[in-house]
Amino acid sequence: GDSVTQMEGPVTLSEEAFLTINCTYTATGYPSLFWYVQYPGEGLQLLLKATKADDKGSNKGFEATYRKETTSFHLEKGSVQVSDSAVYFCALPLQGGSEKLVFGKGMKLTVNP
Amino acid sequence: DAGVIQSPRHEVTEMGQEVTLRCKPISGHNSLFWYRQTMMRGLELLIYFNNNVPIDDSGMPEDRFSAKMPNASFSTLKIQPSEPRDSAVYFCASSLNRARNSPLHFGNGTRLTVT
Repeated sequence: GDSVTQMEGPVTLSEEAFLTINCTYTATGYPSLFWYVQYPGEGLQLLLKATKADDKGSNKGFEATYRKETTSFHLEKGSVQVSDSAVYFCALPLQGGSEKLVFGKGMKLTVNP
Repeated sequence: DAGVIQSPRHEVTEMGQEVTLRCKPISGHNSLFWYRQTMMRGLELLIYFNNNVPIDDSGMPEDRFSAKMPNASFSTLKIQPSEPRDSAVYFCASSLNRARNSPLHFGNGTRLTVT
């Protein structure tokens, strides 16, 4: 079935370091792909999304490119900040157009000053 | 916009007791989801509603769990009787499903501890 596999961490970085969080997917067709972020004590919120192959989603300095050939949607940021400390989830809708989202296990990022 | 509102934020109860979690979705959203988050299993979709009708409850773990959505602005998730293994953070989320790929908006969750 449709699924995502992502790095689980936890990962600790220093401020201004480069961040990559890997996410690969298995799906029928070409679903939209999402990254959600969960800050401490809060629910998840959408960080960025891409709806078709080669699309690049971006927000708050984060980017991810929908790669059909490698079935990947890796999240990157060139220079992380302390405020980026959170848990990051890769997600896709089950069965293409379904409203049901399946999430990866999440990766906890801690950024130290 | 107040966002998705869940109550209570924290619930501590003893095994065997009934627990009711509450959710108010964003006004105008017509899809509502209940998720459970644990360290071991991550985020699991329990059930979701569209226009107040349950569409898929295949994620509900067992008969002890039930969910209702009596109107567009309120939903409950009930566990009766509760067990220690039900301890988790329960999230409610809503979306406007007319917009394809519309994002989920999550509440801040209810942290349930069953002793």
